[in-house]
Amino acid sequence: IAGITQAPTSQILAAGRRMTLRCTQDMRHNAMYWYRQDLGLGLRLIHYSNTAGTTGKGEVPDGYSVSRANTDDFPLTLASAVPSQTSVYFCASSDGTGGDEQFFGPGTRLTVL
Amino acid sequence: GQNIDQPTEMTATEGAIVQINCTYQTSGFNGLFWYQQHAGEAPTFLSYNVLDGLEEKGRFSSFLSRSKGYSYLLLKELQMKDSASYLCAVRDSNYQLIWGAGTKLIIKP
Repeated sequence: IAGITQAPTSQILAAGRRMTLRCTQDMRHNAMYWYRQDLGLGLRLIHYSNTAGTTGKGEVPDGYSVSRANTDDFPLTLASAVPSQTSVYFCASSDGTGGDEQFFGPGTRLTVL
Repeated sequence: GQNIDQPTEMTATEGAIVQINCTYQTSGFNGLFWYQQHAGEAPTFLSYNVLDGLEEKGRFSSFLSRSKGYSYLLLKELQMKDSASYLCAVRDSNYQLIWGAGTKLIIKP
């Protein structure tokens, strides 16, 4: 693994189904983030984690949950998917210091029908 | 509320110079970032400004004026591969990034 990986690459999901998007990083970064990106809108933060064992809510957390059991993994779960959750989801990480940049995974394109 | 404004789309000619502006109103300021995003790909980091002034990195430069809530990204000697979206993001008082919608830059030969 080099950097951040996400799985699946894309998924079509029926409304009401449960779905977990996976994110793994091998850079030993403290902080991790989940964003969604929709056409015409900026990246919007869903949830974040400043360090293993802690999580926080971002701008659009409703309908999503996360966990951070260890440094490397930060899964995002949609408990009961709705069509408005159709989006491209990006996971990112940073080392959590002052001017640190965020490194992004390749994204998951999710369609909820 | 928090707001990041940047033009939706710009067009420039290969070999020319283009300036992409970004204005922001956020609760607190802890730095401004520029990212590049090619279609269908993830954003990648370009620059970071936390103090007023110009930061130069090869063909790309970024300027910040905190008093005006303003930044620009300057791209010189444009190449076709520079066709992408350019995202402005501000780190707010909670140390979270607030993102603009991005500027799609089209380079014509």
